[in-house]
Amino acid sequence: GNSVTQMEGPVTLSEEAFLTINCTYTATGYPSLFWYVQYPGEGLQLLLKATKADDKGSNKGFEATYRKETTSFHLEKGSVQVSDSAVYFCALAAGGSNYKLTFGKGTLLTVNP
Amino acid sequence: GAGVSQTPSNKVTEKGKYVELRCDPISGHTALYWYRQSLGQGPEFLIYFQGTGAADDSGLPNDRFFAVRPEGSVSTLKIQRTERGDSAVYLCASSFDGSPKAGNTIYFGEGSWLTVV
Repeated sequence: GNSVTQMEGPVTLSEEAFLTINCTYTATGYPSLFWYVQYPGEGLQLLLKATKADDKGSNKGFEATYRKETTSFHLEKGSVQVSDSAVYFCALAAGGSNYKLTFGKGTLLTVNP
Repeated sequence: GAGVSQTPSNKVTEKGKYVELRCDPISGHTALYWYRQSLGQGPEFLIYFQGTGAADDSGLPNDRFFAVRPEGSVSTLKIQRTERGDSAVYLCASSFDGSPKAGNTIYFGEGSWLTVV
């Protein structure tokens, strides 16, 4: 079946540090890949997505590249801010549908000033 | 509405009781989804509606769980004979439709926190 494995947290960084959160997946077919973010007290929000191999999703300074050869979709940001503190979820949708999302367990990021 | 709205935001119930959780999707969205998020885990798919019908209910854990969407808008997730293991955040989401088009984003509500004591 489909599964997503992301690096366990919590991750604590200082402001302006470089961020990487690793995500690898197992899926049938050619999945779409997503990063969702959950800020404190808010609902899940789509951060970025990529629908085919070698696509790069980007938003708010975050980037992730769909790597089919390594089945990965690592999230990166060059310079984090305190406001980036949140829980980040990697997810996939496979089997020709974009509705049945399979999520990783989430990674808590705390950015200190 | 402006976003996906869920009520109640918090619910504490006794083991064995019946619970209903309500979801009001974004206006015009025909696809509606329910997910469940246990502590320390990512959300897990429960059921997907396209319009009034349940297109996929393969994620419902057992027959104590049931969901309806009678008019193709608001949906209610119903849990009978609640158990302590049902304690979780129940997330509702919606999208314009259920097709895997590149621009079809799934929007989530803030969730209903259910605690069974």
